[in-house]
Formats: sequence, C-alpha cells, structure tokens
Amino acid sequence: DIQMTQSPSSVSASVGDRVTITCRASQGISNWVAWYQQKPGKAPKLLIYAASDLQRGVPSRFSGSGSGTFFTLTISSLQPEDFATYYCQQADSFPFTFGPGTKVDI
Amino acid sequence: QLQLQESGPRLVKPSETLSLTCTVSGGSIRGSRYYWGWIRQSPGKGLEWIGSFFPGGNTYYNPSLKSRVTISVDTSKNQFSLKLTSVTAEDTAVFYCANVVSGGFDSWGQGTLVAVSS
Repeated sequence: DIQMTQSPSSVSASVGDRVTITCRASQGISNWVAWYQQKPGKAPKLLIYAASDLQRGVPSRFSGSGSGTFFTLTISSLQPEDFATYYCQQADSFPFTFGPGTKVDI
Repeated sequence: QLQLQESGPRLVKPSETLSLTCTVSGGSIRGSRYYWGWIRQSPGKGLEWIGSFFPGGNTYYNPSLKSRVTISVDTSKNQFSLKLTSVTAEDTAVFYCANVVSGGFDSWGQGTLVAVSS
C-alpha cells in the first residue's frame, strides 16, 4: 500500500494567514492526489483533484501543487470558515489511502 | 446535482454482518463519468477506503478488509450496497458512499454511524 503522511498534524493560525500543508507519498504517484476539507460531523469536501485542479465551487484561495512524492495544499488567506481538518488522498493505485489529517485551528 | 444517501441498521451485533445501501439521485450509476465507492471513518480517527466499483466493470477492495467485504450494485434502483461480515467493535465507524471523479471522491452521502455492540 502507498502510505500518505501529512505535516504538520495541527496548525494554529489566524484569519488572513497563509497556511501550507504538506503531504508525502511513500512512492511516486504522479499527480494522483486529492485534498479534502472536513468539518466536525460533516462529510469531507473535495477541494483539489489531480494535485492542482480546483474543484468547482471551491474558492480560489485554495491551491494545490506537487508531483511524484511531494504535494502541498495552500490557503492563501485563511477565512473563518476554513478552520477544519484537511486530508490528502492518493488515487494512483488501489487501495486508495488517505493521510492522517491536519487540523487547522485558531 | 448528484446526491447520495446511505441507509441501513445503526447497530450491529459482534460477529454479524453489517449491511448498508447507498441510493443515488440526480444521476445514473451507469453513467460513464463516474465510479463509486465506500469510505469509513472510525470515531475520532482518519479516513479509510473500503472499496470501489466501475459500473459494468471491476470491483476493488481494501486488502485489509477484502475477505469480509462485498460491494454490489442494483442499477434498476440506482443503488449500491456494502456488506461487511464478522464485524467487531473495531468496525464501529461512520460509513460514507461517494462517487469518484478524476481520482477524487466528489459527491458524498451525509454518512451513517454504525455501532458494533451486543
């Protein structure tokens, strides 16, 4: 299985901050990475697919980059509604695997 | 707009079979754009992919669950189902169904918490 690791595991930030979350794959996965936002009691929401493609309806302050084994999710200017947990997921091969999550809080 | 809804028993006894159904509206399971899957999340923990299927094609399962899991499809009802046998307390989780587009899980059901307890 491809292992996905994320850092940091949590980050404290303020409204307006730039936040970057990193995700590493245990082997090369081209650009087959998706990013999700999850709020308590809710299903995850797809933000980014194919490493850098913004899902429709997602604000442009979210961006993704990377290929191979290293990927990043950046929130350019943190908004109050962005406080949540973020997960990366590899879709290069089955079994799909998720990172452990990064909690963004105040 | 695609909508998914999980349904099934919320409480299952140890060693029995967990059965859930995902009902899809706003689009057809047979639509070639998508494939479909189940994901679970144990309380306070991360996300685990259970399995996915391609309409008219193959089904893939997480090896960690493969001997216990079956995903089936009823295209006439626009539903797909999950069966997980021989459950234990470690199978207590929120179960989600979702469609997959370009490798990402796009539309999700609201999730259903299934507890394994006697």
